[in-house]
Amino acid sequence: SYELTQPPSVSVSPGQTASITCSGDKLGDKYACWYQQKPGQSPVLVIYQDSKRPSGIPERFSGSNSGNTATLTISGTQAMDEADYYCQAWDSSTPFFGTGTKVTVL
Amino acid sequence: QVQLVESGGGLVKPGGSLRLSCAASGFTFSDYYMSWIRQAPGKGLEWVSYISSSGSTIYYADSVKGRFTISRDNAKNSLYLQMNSLRAEDTAVYYCARVRQQLVPSFTRWFDPWGQGTLVTVSS
Repeated sequence: SYELTQPPSVSVSPGQTASITCSGDKLGDKYACWYQQKPGQSPVLVIYQDSKRPSGIPERFSGSNSGNTATLTISGTQAMDEADYYCQAWDSSTPFFGTGTKVTVL
Repeated sequence: QVQLVESGGGLVKPGGSLRLSCAASGFTFSDYYMSWIRQAPGKGLEWVSYISSSGSTIYYADSVKGRFTISRDNAKNSLYLQMNSLRAEDTAVYYCARVRQQLVPSFTRWFDPWGQGTLVTVSS
């Protein structure tokens, strides 16, 4: 089993930058992606292949992945970005999700 | 537009069975791997199973192996999850998701989009 660990919560002021980390053994050797889930809604892909944004995802969302840590960065955070965020990677033909991070915009 | 609509959830007693369905539209269903992912109330995401575009390759999470069966009908643009010997810990919202992938230059896959989910409650 492959474990991906995220901080339970991150707080950020409107307009500031939020960084969410995802830690896993040699995660930088794999591709990471990120999903946003707002209350009562289904997850939405916001980053794939470490740093690519799907069509329709704002430019303020960016990603990186190196060593044992992948990072999702939200620049100029808006109130609408308040949500749970999950990282995800593949290991031995099996997908694994991170533990999830609740982002609160204060 | 791409749409995935799950159905078949409900209340079932421990040891019982349930069959979930996922109706796909807006894309060529037979070209894509598909997956089931679940989320227990107040908990994180847990991958359950995925199936290749032809149905020839299937993987299950250890937690459901031997109890759940994934299948698909490409003629009906539908994905299924047969769940047997259900346990209380199987209680969750079950999502179906399309699997996108890149094979070159390096292999990677991701889930996009996801359906709205269907709630399965296992309780006596």
